[in-house]
Amino acid sequence: RKEVEQDPGPFNVPEGATVAFNCTYSNSASQSFFWYRQDCRKEPKLLMSVYSSGNEDGRFTAQLNRASQYISLLIRDSKLSDSATYLCVVNQRGGGADGLTFGKGTHLIIQP
Amino acid sequence: DTGVSQNPRHKITKRGQNVTFRCDPISEHNRLYWYRQTLGQGPEFLTYFQNEAQLEKSRLLSDRFSAERPKGSFSTLEIQRTEQGDSAMYLCASSLVTGGSEAFFGQGTRLTVV
Repeated sequence: RKEVEQDPGPFNVPEGATVAFNCTYSNSASQSFFWYRQDCRKEPKLLMSVYSSGNEDGRFTAQLNRASQYISLLIRDSKLSDSATYLCVVNQRGGGADGLTFGKGTHLIIQP
Repeated sequence: DTGVSQNPRHKITKRGQNVTFRCDPISEHNRLYWYRQTLGQGPEFLTYFQNEAQLEKSRLLSDRFSAERPKGSFSTLEIQRTEQGDSAMYLCASSLVTGGSEAFFGQGTRLTVV
């Protein structure tokens, strides 16, 4: 079983719609969780951290379910500029970024 | 620009040649990471440094790969006797030891081995 699994998509979503994707992780000792965004031929950039109580940043909501070992990302009122690959990232050690394990990414296409 | 800087951005080399990439991290960051990313995959961890000490190397890092960070600032990644399977984007990232795990990535060096 892969450490971090995501549905690669692509998810084709009309502008203004709500879209959600999940990510599962295999290591129950994982301590911190993130969503990174990667545009085509660009470097990954941190979108948001994922906290145990769930957290929201504008149109983006992230949730963590430790019991089922998955995290989710919800995007409301999607914009054309949200088109990108979203990488689920799990840190198995906490503290610094040395334990970051990336999923393969979910490709999102927002259509006008 | 105070972000992570990588050079060159693109490198085309013939199989069997050696290549070296450079990464300049964010100046106050004491941790520096190298990742490799191939098409359709997420970044895969290769190695990381805390200051000048190389603390971990992935199994992906064969003996043809070597990384250095001699003064705890910039780092180099060298690949000897390149193979076509080495073709990938090589990403460098840096972070602080404390203050959470956010890693800031450079724009990467795209290596093509022909």
